Amino acid sequence: QKEVEQNSGPLSVPEGAIASLNCTYSDRGSQSFFWYRQYSGKSPELIMSIYSNGDKEDGRFTAQLNKASQYVSLLIRDSQPSDSATYLCAVNPSNYGGSQGNLIFGKGTKLSVKP
Amino acid sequence: DTEVTQTPKHLVMGMTNKKSLKCEQHMGHRAMYWYKQKAKKPPELMFVYSYEKLSINESVPSRFSPECPNSSLLNLHLHALQPEDSALYLCASSQRDGYGYTFGSGTRLTVV
Repeated sequence: QKEVEQNSGPLSVPEGAIASLNCTYSDRGSQSFFWYRQYSGKSPELIMSIYSNGDKEDGRFTAQLNKASQYVSLLIRDSQPSDSATYLCAVNPSNYGGSQGNLIFGKGTKLSVKP
Repeated sequence: DTEVTQTPKHLVMGMTNKKSLKCEQHMGHRAMYWYKQKAKKPPELMFVYSYEKLSINESVPSRFSPECPNSSLLNLHLHALQPEDSALYLCASSQRDGYGYTFGSGTRLTVV
């Protein structure tokens, strides 16, 4: 069974701090990795995608991927109260099981940024 | 147009009703998806239409049936639902397999 694991939190950080969100996945052949932000009662919003080992930066967000360790993380610098949401890690597993590119979602980490 | 449009936003239906959820995208995406999300849970895949081919999560009961009239539209037909089917139903599309999804705003379904 292909799995994506996240710490459910809640993760609480003060405003202006760095929030670090972590995700591990079981399928070593996975190729594509995504972070979604979901506010309560709303639909998920894609905020980062990463496909190769290393770091990818976009504004205050940095995604980090280590395929050898099967680990992907999201760093949020200068955290703001508006960043308070649930962050979903999603992985596109290898196609050996006929997954056809369907994303597998982790259970999400709830982030709370305190003013 | 970079949106996925879902209608209706809210739906309350009885267990004997038949209703349909609609999803539309005009981004030229070749894959569209239906997901079900219960409170405090991750989205669960129900159906995929990718390059005009339907894939089904075999755990989805037959009271849910998808329909893809064309490459921009994806409907979900509902019949004889149960109260436990109450959830947020999300439509998504992607440029192609392996790319990130764009989600619609969802339909909040309540079965009474």
